[in-house]
Amino acid sequence: DGGITQSPKYLFRKEGQNVTLSCEQNLNHDAMYWYRQDPGQGLRLIYYSQIVNDFQKGDIAEGYSVSREKKESFPLTVTSAQKNPTAFYLCASSIGGTGMSDTIYFGEGSWLTVV
Amino acid sequence: GENVEQHPSTLSVQEGDSAVIKCTYSDSASNYFPWYKQELGKGPQLIIDIRSNVGEKKDQRIAVTLNKTAKHFSLHITETQPEDSAVYFCAASIGAAGNKLTFGGGTRVLVKP
Repeated sequence: DGGITQSPKYLFRKEGQNVTLSCEQNLNHDAMYWYRQDPGQGLRLIYYSQIVNDFQKGDIAEGYSVSREKKESFPLTVTSAQKNPTAFYLCASSIGGTGMSDTIYFGEGSWLTVV
Repeated sequence: GENVEQHPSTLSVQEGDSAVIKCTYSDSASNYFPWYKQELGKGPQLIIDIRSNVGEKKDQRIAVTLNKTAKHFSLHITETQPEDSAVYFCAASIGAAGNKLTFGGGTRVLVKP
């Protein structure tokens, strides 16, 4: 099946720990994104990558880091510098490379809770 | 940067009635406007989108209208069904700026049987 796979679905983090959320896509998309969603609110862009080995900060990048070593993978690390990390994290991808807006597809999300 | 406002935040309709959600955007350079449906605990699913060179688009019971002059766009759902109950998000993006979507705050739609 083609799609975007996020893991784990649920993750608990202790204060001061770094955690990494996995995102894998087999859609052969060039562009990948990470969004954060707080309860009852819209989605906010954390980081995005338009091509392998390149990525840019979104609107709320502080306290997060990413890498894009492979086309199909775009892991997100939530560092201890992120003071309020409890949220629903959504990975997404799109064809990219067209210079135009194209459809963005989302994964099923990962819940991160600080305990 | 772009700012997208969405109204209402909650909407309750009787099954069979129509639902309308409205969004406004701030950046006149925005040229792509998708709508997503999100069910509890799941990722958003694209239901319809419209580009700035089109004023209206329809797909079965769902339609979207765009007014570039006023910088607003709307989602219309006709003959609502209980399975339409979900949270709906509008978004806007400027293709030349990396295809970054800016989302509205969402509308929780409840269709009462």
